[in-house]
Amino acid sequence: GAVVSQHPSWVICKSGTSVKIECRSLDFQATTMFWYRQFPKQSLMLMATSNEGSKATYEQGVEKDKFLINHASLTLSTLTVTSAHPEDSSFYICSASLAGDRLSYEQYFGPGTRLTVT
Amino acid sequence: AQSVAQPEDQVNVAEGNPLTVKCTYSVSGNPYLFWYVQYPNRGLQFLLKYITGDNLVKGSYGFEAEFNKSQTSFHLKKPSALVSDSALYFCAARSGDSNYQLIWGAGTKLIIKP
Repeated sequence: GAVVSQHPSWVICKSGTSVKIECRSLDFQATTMFWYRQFPKQSLMLMATSNEGSKATYEQGVEKDKFLINHASLTLSTLTVTSAHPEDSSFYICSASLAGDRLSYEQYFGPGTRLTVT
Repeated sequence: AQSVAQPEDQVNVAEGNPLTVKCTYSVSGNPYLFWYVQYPNRGLQFLLKYITGDNLVKGSYGFEAEFNKSQTSFHLKKPSALVSDSALYFCAARSGDSNYQLIWGAGTKLIIKP
């Protein structure tokens, strides 16, 4: 149980275009979803926290107009990288927390999306 | 400021030997502690967690971790390492009075040599 999927697993796009990454909780409802960015050989950097039906909370230094997050349902959150540039190339990982399962406090991670902007 | 420290960038262990990956934390209130493993170009896999109760926590793939409140540590251990244990290991923590946000260590690369 508690499986999180991401789509696509990898994507190559041209500078100036936008890319949407989907994060789905397959067998549970996720009140909260998190979006992380990971640079090579580095730890995860939290970009934003999104709660279903409300605006995402972005971490300091993360441009909300560039990284659009939508959490439209308890099973789906999307991250759209707008007007992508080569420096946006990275590994993006989402995670989800179970709705109503406060005792778990566990985040379930998706497999990640490798974005390459050319 | 709240933080998680993994003092070793890399740990090298011979196959069959015991392994330890260190983690110390600084969070307000009662800590909730986690270990995750990441294989190349993959997402994170949950290994184990400490919320409350027994200080020794057993998790996936034969790993265990001991919560030590006085030393604010949560070291990951395994009695006998396998080559397949080679991966990147992350320690994470959150305080009991925060939202679901995790504070992450920098990660430790574990290399098991045959």
